[in-house]
Amino acid sequence: AQSVSQHNHHVILSEAASLELGCNYSYGGTVNLFWYVQYPGQHLQLLLKYFSGDPLVKGIKGFEAEFIKSKFSFNLRKPSVQWSDTAEYFCAVIDTDKLIFGTGTRLQVFP
Amino acid sequence: DAGVTQSPTHLIKTRGQQVTLRCSPISGHKSVSWYQQVLGQGPQFIFQYYEKEERGRGNFPDRFSARQFPNYSSELNVNALLLGDSALYLCASSPPLDRANYGYTFGSGTRLTVV
Repeated sequence: AQSVSQHNHHVILSEAASLELGCNYSYGGTVNLFWYVQYPGQHLQLLLKYFSGDPLVKGIKGFEAEFIKSKFSFNLRKPSVQWSDTAEYFCAVIDTDKLIFGTGTRLQVFP
Repeated sequence: DAGVTQSPTHLIKTRGQQVTLRCSPISGHKSVSWYQQVLGQGPQFIFQYYEKEERGRGNFPDRFSARQFPNYSSELNVNALLLGDSALYLCASSPPLDRANYGYTFGSGTRLTVV
């Protein structure tokens, strides 16, 4: 079965710093990948998703992710973070119609 | 507004009790999935229902059960509660199963505390 690894458990940045959160999935073939964000006290929201095509995926709020098949990776990036990006970020992959989530990365952005 | 509604928002139960959590999907969505999110971890898949039939089950004991109603709403039941069942229970709805258009929308969850 698929699994997802997120190696950054807690990231602390200052506003305007660049962000990259790592995500690796366990095996290849056709994969459908997602990044979700959970702001404090709010529901999980979809940031972006990859099904096929252009490996560089643009999402909401200035986020993007790059699918690198040879590295089994789908890292999330943002060139300049804001205080409002403070949240928990989850990478997920589809496995037989269910989402498999990573353990999440807690991002704290300080003004 | 997430569009997926869950009730109740918070719940406190005693060990050994039973609990029922409810979910109403987005109008037009026929698939409902349940996830358990323990503090500090990612959501873990419990069940998926589509057109009132169970389509998938995660690695959870038989104390966990669910059903989907004709209006596509769903209930998750947990019997003989254990302290370890304390978690945020999330419901997600999606359109008819279509690998080209996965759109899982999550509700705000039910926070269950077992004491």
